[in-house]
Amino acid sequence: KAGVTQTPRYLIKTRGQQVTLSCSPISGHRSVSWYQQTPGQGLQFLFEYFSETQRNKGNFPGRFSGRQFSNSRSEMNVSTLELGDSALYLCASSLEGWPYEQYFGPGTRLTVT
Amino acid sequence: LAKTTQPISMDSYEGQEVNITCSHNNIATNDYITWYQQFPSQGPRFIIQGYKTKVTNEVASLFIPADRKSSTLSLPRVSLSDTAVYYCLVGSSNTGKLIFGQGTTLQVKP
Repeated sequence: KAGVTQTPRYLIKTRGQQVTLSCSPISGHRSVSWYQQTPGQGLQFLFEYFSETQRNKGNFPGRFSGRQFSNSRSEMNVSTLELGDSALYLCASSLEGWPYEQYFGPGTRLTVT
Repeated sequence: LAKTTQPISMDSYEGQEVNITCSHNNIATNDYITWYQQFPSQGPRFIIQGYKTKVTNEVASLFIPADRKSSTLSLPRVSLSDTAVYYCLVGSSNTGKLIFGQGTTLQVKP
């Protein structure tokens, strides 16, 4: 069974721009969660989608948004990028949803200059 | 809000048992405790999850005391390939909160 895939793997953007990251979950998984990982803040939960509905949300500003499509694929959007948004963005999929066993993708490394 | 605290780093030798403890004093009634392992340039990988008492699977054990204010991940007979960062995670969909510990870097030496 194919694992969680994320595209692109690396991205460089300029302050003020917006970015969209994509995540394809494991086949059959209806839950997709997004996380931000930085050296300073560690791993932080962004949000979870289950069957196209946002079910849980972490403590991030409204510039961070997401959506999930009927095929369970998910996208995360960050608008008006700031230098502090530079991070590894991880996507994870799950059969039962959060907080149960999550299968993580390799992440998208976003650098904001 | 449960704050999870774990040691920043630990050293061990091959063949030893390693115990990593996570403190979560404000854990909520519905919160689960989960541990993940992460290698460089990879996403975290699920190790084990529990709610109370003891849970064991093929790779680890998780000990949770009755008050649930801490938990201990036990890795039996570690090998060099167990060198990684280990994260403790507390939360539930009921509370809507999911809190990661800062991660424990385990270095296994030959």
